[in-house]
Amino acid sequence: EDQVTQSPEALRLQEGESSSLNCSYTVSGLRGLFWYRQDPGKGPEFLFTLYSAGEEKEKERLKATLTKKESFLHITAPKPEDSATYLCAVQALHSGYALNFGKGTSLLVTP
Amino acid sequence: DTGVSQNPRHKITKRGQNVTFRCDPISEHNRLYWYRQTLGQGPEFLTYFQNEAQLEKSRLLSDRFSAERPKGSFSTLEIQRTEQGDSAMYLCASSLVVSGSKETQYFGPGTRLLVL
Repeated sequence: EDQVTQSPEALRLQEGESSSLNCSYTVSGLRGLFWYRQDPGKGPEFLFTLYSAGEEKEKERLKATLTKKESFLHITAPKPEDSATYLCAVQALHSGYALNFGKGTSLLVTP
Repeated sequence: DTGVSQNPRHKITKRGQNVTFRCDPISEHNRLYWYRQTLGQGPEFLTYFQNEAQLEKSRLLSDRFSAERPKGSFSTLEIQRTEQGDSAMYLCASSLVVSGSKETQYFGPGTRLLVL
């Protein structure tokens, strides 16, 4: 069965303090790995899709990387507006097109 | 591009009542998904449509749940005889899939349901 595990569950950073969020996954055939950002009371906002090991994508202070077992979301010099829950999801080759999400990492960046 | 819209944004109902939610996808998106999210959890897949055809339903989807996408545009999700365990955020997502292309699902703001 496909599994997605995100760590840590919660992370508190000072403004400017870089860190990484982890997404470990088990899937028999990866179609794609997705990162979303979710603010309280809102729907997830798409950030990145990664398709194969070694792939990297960047957007402003965020950089996502992918290996065969895990993905990292690196946050460089975060700002308070980066505070949100970051969700990782996998789409498996054998199970249609549904996204299988982890529980997310709740990030708080303090001034 | 106005994004995915969902109505209502909030719904409070009493146990045993029926509720219906609406999702309007991004214009010309041919796939539409429904997910459910409870506090502290990631979204959980319920069902999806390709145009008007419902192609997949989660095993978790109770018989009390039904979804339609009659003309391949907007979709409705109905829950009959609501239970307190149905309280959650119901999320809709849409995507445009062209044969052989990769897919990105864009989510709406969600409908928060509270069953008393």
